[in-house]
Amino acid sequence: GNSVTQMEGPVTLSEEAFLTINCTYTATGYPSLFWYVQYPGEGLQLLLKATKADDKGSNKGFEATYRKETTSFHLEKGSVQVSDSAVYFCALGGPSGGSYIPTFGRGTSLIVHP
Amino acid sequence: DAGVIQSPRHEVTEMGQEVTLRCKPISGHNSLFWYRQTMMRGLELLIYFNNNVPIDDSGMPEDRFSAKMPNASFSTLKIQPSEPRDSAVYFCASSSGTGQPQHFGDGTRLSIL
Repeated sequence: GNSVTQMEGPVTLSEEAFLTINCTYTATGYPSLFWYVQYPGEGLQLLLKATKADDKGSNKGFEATYRKETTSFHLEKGSVQVSDSAVYFCALGGPSGGSYIPTFGRGTSLIVHP
Repeated sequence: DAGVIQSPRHEVTEMGQEVTLRCKPISGHNSLFWYRQTMMRGLELLIYFNNNVPIDDSGMPEDRFSAKMPNASFSTLKIQPSEPRDSAVYFCASSSGTGQPQHFGDGTRLSIL
């Protein structure tokens, strides 16, 4: 079946540090890939997505590139802020009309210190 | 615009009681998802609907759980009878299309004593 594996957290960084959160997936065919962010006490929010190989999704300074050859979709940000502290979820699924069941990773907690 | 609205935000009840969680998706969205989140298992898809029809309920843990979507603007997740191991945060999400949940509610934190 389909699955998503994320690096375990927490990831602890100082403000303005470079962020990478690793994500790899297993799926047949060509799913779409997503990153979600969850702030304390809230639901998940869609952060960015990529629908085909070599696509780069980006939003709010975060970016991730769909790498089919390594089945990866690592999340990066050049300079993190305290307000980025949250839990980040990698997920795979389908575009509108697709047949993939949405599948989420376990989440990676990010803590950014001033 | 109103997002996905869930109620109640918190529920504390004794085991054996019936629990009903409610969700109002974003207007115009035709897919609705119910998820359960725990520290042990992470985020689990319980069931999802498309155009009010259940498409996949393989994640529903057992017969004590049931979900309905009587119309495009309302869904319920019911647990009867509830057990302590059902304690979790339950999220509802909706989207336009069948692929992926786009918008999540703030969740219902359920505690079964």
